[in-house]
Amino acid sequence: GESVGLHLPTLSVQEGDNSIINCAYSNSASDYFIWYKQESGKGPQFIIDIRSNMDKRQGQRVTVLLNKTVKHLSLQIAATQPGDSAVYFCAENINAGNNRKLIWGLGTSLAVNP
Amino acid sequence: DSGVTQTPKHLITATGQRVTLRCSPRSGDLSVYWYQQSLDQGLQFLIQYYNGEERAKGNILERFSAQQFPDLHSELNLSSLELGDSALYFCASSPPVGTGELFFGEGSRLTVL
Repeated sequence: GESVGLHLPTLSVQEGDNSIINCAYSNSASDYFIWYKQESGKGPQFIIDIRSNMDKRQGQRVTVLLNKTVKHLSLQIAATQPGDSAVYFCAENINAGNNRKLIWGLGTSLAVNP
Repeated sequence: DSGVTQTPKHLITATGQRVTLRCSPRSGDLSVYWYQQSLDQGLQFLIQYYNGEERAKGNILERFSAQQFPDLHSELNLSSLELGDSALYFCASSPPVGTGELFFGEGSRLTVL
C-alpha cells in the first residue's frame, strides 16, 4: 500500500537543543520528499525537500536525511528555537502518469521549551 | 504570505446547509488543490484541478464538489453539511513546472453546529 507515517506524534525539546523528526514511507516509487511546517492557525509552509537520488540535503538550520533502504526520512533542526514550535509534516511525491501524487504523513507536533 | 488567498477565513453554519469556499492561487500557478484538516488528523487530500480541469480526486465526499474557473480561481462547495464536516479547509497551488512544491493559503475554518 501507500502510506506515510510518523514514529512520534509529539516531540518536546529544550531551546537550543537539536530536534529530530522521523517519518516512514512505504512506496518505493516515491521520487521526491518534502517537509512542511504548520504553525498554529496557518497553512503548511515548505521547509525543505530532497530527491530520491540523494541521501542528505541541508538548508538553513535544517537537514533532511533519506534512507531508501529502510524507507525512512528525517528532519533535523539545529539549535531549536521557540519559533520552531509547530506541526511538521512529511510528504512523499509519486509520479502517477501525467500527474504527481502527494501523500502526507499525519504530522509531528514539536514543542520547544524555553 | 504564500500568495494563495482563501475566503472566508471563518464560517459558522448549521447542519444541512450549503457553503462555498473560495481560493485564488498564486499568480502563474495553474494547479489548485483542496485539503481538509480535522482535529487530530493530518491533511486529507480532496481534489486537484489543473488549468480548469479536474486532475486528481482524493477522499472527497459526494456531497462536496469543486471547480476551477477560467481565471484559475477555484471554489469548493460543501452541501448537506454534517457536524463531522467541521474542519479547516486548505487550498494550495503549485506552478506548472517544478518539483511540485505546494503553496498553501491560510485556510477556511468551517464550523457546523
